[in-house]
Amino acid sequence: ILNVEQSPQSLHVQEGDSTNFTCSFPSSNFYALHWYRWETAKSPEALFVMTLNGDEKKKGRISATLNTKEGYSYLYIKGSQPEDSATYLCALGNQFYFGTGTSLTVIP
Amino acid sequence: DARVTQTPRHKVTEMGQEVTMRCQPILGHNTVFWYRQTMMQGLELLAYFRNRAPLDDSGMPKDRFSAEMPDATLATLKIQPSEPRDSAVYFCASGLDQSGATNEKLFFGSGTQLSVL
Repeated sequence: ILNVEQSPQSLHVQEGDSTNFTCSFPSSNFYALHWYRWETAKSPEALFVMTLNGDEKKKGRISATLNTKEGYSYLYIKGSQPEDSATYLCALGNQFYFGTGTSLTVIP
Repeated sequence: DARVTQTPRHKVTEMGQEVTMRCQPILGHNTVFWYRQTMMQGLELLAYFRNRAPLDDSGMPKDRFSAEMPDATLATLKIQPSEPRDSAVYFCASGLDQSGATNEKLFFGSGTQLSVL
């Protein structure tokens, strides 16, 4: 079981603010890093999968970067909207070991 | 509209009873994952199958939990005997793992909410 850590645990931002959070993981034997979005009372949904050091992925106002040498990934949300409120999870490897997530609340 | 189907959606049982949760993966997917949602650990991996073979069940308490894939369209997670501390939401997810390529993404079911009294 791989140790995947996410920070912060929770975050409150004002509508329109940009924000980011971190996923940290062991840098040895890296295979893939996944980001998921989990809205309350729903199931997690995939955002990105990244495999190469320096990868950057973007989907609308959400983007992610990957540094496999130092073992971290950042998720950025530009101009947060209330509908972005969710828990954002990262998962490591083909076995999908998930971190505990960052709970984001966007205040209108 | 392809989706992962989990049954039952809710289960209330008494301590000591056997609980069986079922999952129908998306047709054509060859990987199945079982997770338990906990306050402390988020999504805790219980078991992982590829092509119906168990690859990792190290996160599963072996004395009372068992996971199987009787065929490609059905995965089961059993708890016998159940205990109050097993109360949680159990998620199943499926994906396509093509040899030599990265498992692109998992599709999650709606979960089974288990309450053990």
